[in-house]
Amino acid sequence: RKEVEQDPGPFNVPEGATVAFNCTYSNSASQSFFWYRQDCRKEPKLLMSVYSSGNEDGRFTAQLNRASQYISLLIRDSKLSDSATYLCVVGLSNTGKLIFGQGTTLQVKP
Amino acid sequence: DGGITQSPKYLFRKEGQNVTLSCEQNLNHDAMYWYRQDPGQGLRLIYYSQIVNDFQKGDIAEGYSVSREKKESFPLTVTSAQKNPTAFYLCASRLVGGNQETQYFGPGTRLLVL
Repeated sequence: RKEVEQDPGPFNVPEGATVAFNCTYSNSASQSFFWYRQDCRKEPKLLMSVYSSGNEDGRFTAQLNRASQYISLLIRDSKLSDSATYLCVVGLSNTGKLIFGQGTTLQVKP
Repeated sequence: DGGITQSPKYLFRKEGQNVTLSCEQNLNHDAMYWYRQDPGQGLRLIYYSQIVNDFQKGDIAEGYSVSREKKESFPLTVTSAQKNPTAFYLCASRLVGGNQETQYFGPGTRLLVL
């Protein structure tokens, strides 16, 4: 079983749609949680950290359920520019080691 | 501008050759990391360093070596022992302490075997 699992997609949605990505992690000692965005042939860039209370940044909302070891990302009012791969990332300890999911690909179409 | 730089952008390796990928940061970050990404897969940790003159193996260290002689530099050598080196190599750095958990990535180096 992979340590961080995501549905690879691709998710093909029209502009303006709401789309949700899910992620599960296996290590209950995980301490930090992130969503990164990666454009084709580019480096990953931090989209948002994920907190237990849930957090929102504009059209993006992230949720964490520690009991179920589950992380989600909701994108509202999808834009063409949201097309990318979204990586679910989990941090294990103060060494800063991060475990990456394989990513979920989103394609927003006009 | 502060940031992380990697060079070269593309690198070609011949069979049996060692090659070194450069990673430099001027963010004054303490920790640095090397990852490898294969098509359709997530990033896998090769080596990391939390302080100068110290580094630890990640999950796929075989066939690779690193050094951390300066805070701002963390070069990765892909040795001839690495049998499948073709991949996208990403370097990252992080400020240790407080709530600074986020890793910031350089633009990456694509390594191809001739």
